[in-house]
Amino acid sequence: AQKITQTQPGMFVQEKEAVTLDCTYDTSDQSYGLFWYKQPSSGEMIFLIYQGSYDEQNATEGRYSLNFQKARKSANLVISASQLGDSAMYFCAMREGRIQGAQKLVFGQGTRLTINP
Amino acid sequence: DTEVTQTPKHLVMGMTNKKSLKCEQHMGHRAMYWYKQKAKKPPELMFVYSYEKLSINESVPSRFSPECPNSSLLNLHLHALQPEDSALYLCASSHTGVGVRSPLHFGNGTRLTVT
Repeated sequence: AQKITQTQPGMFVQEKEAVTLDCTYDTSDQSYGLFWYKQPSSGEMIFLIYQGSYDEQNATEGRYSLNFQKARKSANLVISASQLGDSAMYFCAMREGRIQGAQKLVFGQGTRLTINP
Repeated sequence: DTEVTQTPKHLVMGMTNKKSLKCEQHMGHRAMYWYKQKAKKPPELMFVYSYEKLSINESVPSRFSPECPNSSLLNLHLHALQPEDSALYLCASSHTGVGVRSPLHFGNGTRLTVT
């Protein structure tokens, strides 16, 4: 069975500081994908960043980067220069497989990030 | 603005009512998904449609009935729900095909309350 673990239920960070959200995963597949989503209180799931298992470089998207350590099976999200608007729930997810082209994602329990002014 | 549109945003229904949730996307995606999310929990997959055909049903009770009339629309028909079905229902869509690095695009969700 495949699993995603986010060990930090909540994190509090000062504005403008960098923050790392932890994610470890468990899979026996060689090919897989890892995603991070942000969910504000409004409810929408916002895609942030993607890392493929065969990608040799860590993914980056603006202030977001993914610290991918394949041997440790970790895919931590790093947010640089945090902003008040970054306060939200953050979910790590792994593509568990494809069925007829569709993707089956399994989500971690999430980390609630609060940015303090 | 999200490219996946869900209506209504909020829905309150009694246990004997019949209602439908609607989802629409115009990104050309051929995979569409329904997720259920309880408060302070991650989304849980309910149904997946690929090329307008149901490809995954995660053992969802029959009081939830999905429908995919065409490649842009996804409905979730609700009948005889229980109070524990109250949750945020999220629709998502994605490209299909092996090697595609496309994420799931989610809508804003419908907050359902069953009384």
